[in-house]
Amino acid sequence: EAGVVQSPRYKIIEKKQPVAFWCNPISGHNTLYWYLQNLGQGPELLIRYENEEAVDDSQLPKDRFSAERLKGVDSTLKIQPAELGDSAVYLCASSQDGTSGIHEQFFGPGTRLTVL
Amino acid sequence: AQSVAQPEDQVNVAEGNPLTVKCTYSVSGNPYLFWYVQYPNRGLQFLLKYITGDNLVKGSYGFEAEFNKSQTSFHLKKPSALVSDSALYFCAVRAGYNFNKFYFGSGTKLNVKP
Repeated sequence: EAGVVQSPRYKIIEKKQPVAFWCNPISGHNTLYWYLQNLGQGPELLIRYENEEAVDDSQLPKDRFSAERLKGVDSTLKIQPAELGDSAVYLCASSQDGTSGIHEQFFGPGTRLTVL
Repeated sequence: AQSVAQPEDQVNVAEGNPLTVKCTYSVSGNPYLFWYVQYPNRGLQFLLKYITGDNLVKGSYGFEAEFNKSQTSFHLKKPSALVSDSALYFCAVRAGYNFNKFYFGSGTKLNVKP
């Protein structure tokens, strides 16, 4: 079974430029998460989708960040414009939550963003 | 404020010795508890979880964790450490109404020396 796929793995951009990250979750997983992980810290949730609906985007800085999950499968996270402080690893995860209960998350390898 | 604490930034242990990585939490209600491991340049990998039932949970690679409700702790343990266990370990909690809140600890770097 393929895991969570993310691309690109690394991205270097100059500040004020836009950037987008793509995530393909594990097949059949209805819940998709985007996290931000700063060096030496644990992941922080940015947004959570159940199917195509964003059920929690309370921690997403909506002035510059946006996300979408069309058709409830792949997802894209965008930053426009990027700032120096956005340099971090962006993790995507998926899980199969539902009537069968709460399940663990499966994480992709992450995209390491460097803003110069 | 609700949170997860991993009080040790780093744990050093000799190969073959038992290891413990500590985690305490402060959340409302009865949470779900998880441990994940992260190797360099990799995403987090699930190790084990506590949902309900037996307080001692067994997971992948010989790891286990003990849920202690009175101490609000969920320490990760392994009877005999391997050099290959060296990695970054994260404790995670899912809590709140409908378990819709997610909290991760800051991580503990485990160093297992030959």
